[in-house]
Amino acid sequence: SQKIEQNSEALNIQEGKTATLTCNYTNYSPAYLQWYRQDPGRGPVFLLLIRENEKEKRKERLKVTFDTTLKQSLFHITASQPADSATYLCALYSSASKIIFGSGTRLSIRP
Amino acid sequence: SAVISQKPSRDICQRGTSLTIQCQVDSQVTMMFWYRQQPGQSLTLIATANQGSEATYESGFVIDKFPISRPNLTFSTLTVSNMSPEDSSIYLCSVELSSRQGENEQFFGPGTRLTVL
Repeated sequence: SQKIEQNSEALNIQEGKTATLTCNYTNYSPAYLQWYRQDPGRGPVFLLLIRENEKEKRKERLKVTFDTTLKQSLFHITASQPADSATYLCALYSSASKIIFGSGTRLSIRP
Repeated sequence: SAVISQKPSRDICQRGTSLTIQCQVDSQVTMMFWYRQQPGQSLTLIATANQGSEATYESGFVIDKFPISRPNLTFSTLTVSNMSPEDSSIYLCSVELSSRQGENEQFFGPGTRLTVL
């Protein structure tokens, strides 16, 4: 069956370190993969998109990788700050033109 | 980009009643989407609403329970009918816009937090 898994429900790291979040999927052939940020009481906000033929994409302190062989995407936040604390969702846009969300990883950055 | 508002932002309702959630977008869009997000869970697509036609429901969701209206290109409503405590959730509407590269990005409203007693 089709499945999207994000590595952990919660991740706590020290300010200044790099946070790495994992998104694994099975039985999909995504055209591209997206990462969203969700703060409590808010809807998700789009951060980055990476296509199936791209290995890596960067935006300021954010970096996303996409390995279609491993069926995995990694989301990195470098020089993390307490303001980066939020839930991060990965989402696949499948060839069936549907977007499927993972359950999210709650990231906490402690000062 | 798109700016989306939802009303109400939250509500507490009694079992057996119905609640209608409104979604307003600041631009005209072809499709609007309704999602449900239960505590600690992923977003689950309820239905896709096109203007001028009936909504398309995902597996596990039916029109009698979640009737949807789409009277124009900037507005939609979702009704949660005959509510039970299992319907307690956050309900989100979203729209999808295409970039110049043909990639789709979703914009979400702030959500409606529903609690059913």
